[in-house]
Amino acid sequence: AQTVTQSQPEMSVQEAETVTLSCTYDTSESNYYLFWYKQPPSRQMILVIRQEAYKQQNATENRFSVNFQKAAKSFSLKISDSQLGDTAMYFCAFMKWGGSEKLVFGKGTKLTVNP
Amino acid sequence: GAVVSQHPSWVICKSGTSVKIECRSLDFQATTMFWYRQFPKQSLMLMATSNEGSKATYEQGVEKDKFLINHASLTLSTLTVTSAHPEDSSFYICSARDRGGSDTQYFGPGTRLTVL
Repeated sequence: AQTVTQSQPEMSVQEAETVTLSCTYDTSESNYYLFWYKQPPSRQMILVIRQEAYKQQNATENRFSVNFQKAAKSFSLKISDSQLGDTAMYFCAFMKWGGSEKLVFGKGTKLTVNP
Repeated sequence: GAVVSQHPSWVICKSGTSVKIECRSLDFQATTMFWYRQFPKQSLMLMATSNEGSKATYEQGVEKDKFLINHASLTLSTLTVTSAHPEDSSFYICSARDRGGSDTQYFGPGTRLTVL
């Protein structure tokens, strides 16, 4: 069974600074997806970024980028130029390739951006 | 694009009654929808996976007779909490997988259920 570990329950960062959230996972699969979802106080889950395991290039979405290390089974999220609106719970998630596969979530990291 | 709605956003009911929660994919067809439960300050717990036109697959420990799931079309899935009790009070979230092939799950805004 796959597991996802987020070792930082809480983090804080000053506005405009950069922060990195850690995520490691365990799997024997070779084809899979990795995701970062954001859950702000409204509790709406929002997709931040996704990475296909077969792609060596790290995914980026504006201020959000990942450091995907397949051999190390590591998938960290870097948020540049942090904004107050980035304050949220961030969940790392794993999904096997294809079919009706379910997401396996980490326990989440609560990020607070301070003014 | 990729919008998922849930209705109602919150509901309060008396113990013993049944409550139905709807999940709709508004701008895409969803081959698969998922239902989660989230306790305060915790991660999402998958309850069941539903595919259009077939029976839902429940996770271990989830009572299928209490949490009835129907996936009648490619854009609608419903979760009915039957004979609700206070311990069923929780935040319920659905997600839908885009049939268009992106393999990404998009989430609804959630439904807060309070059972008195």
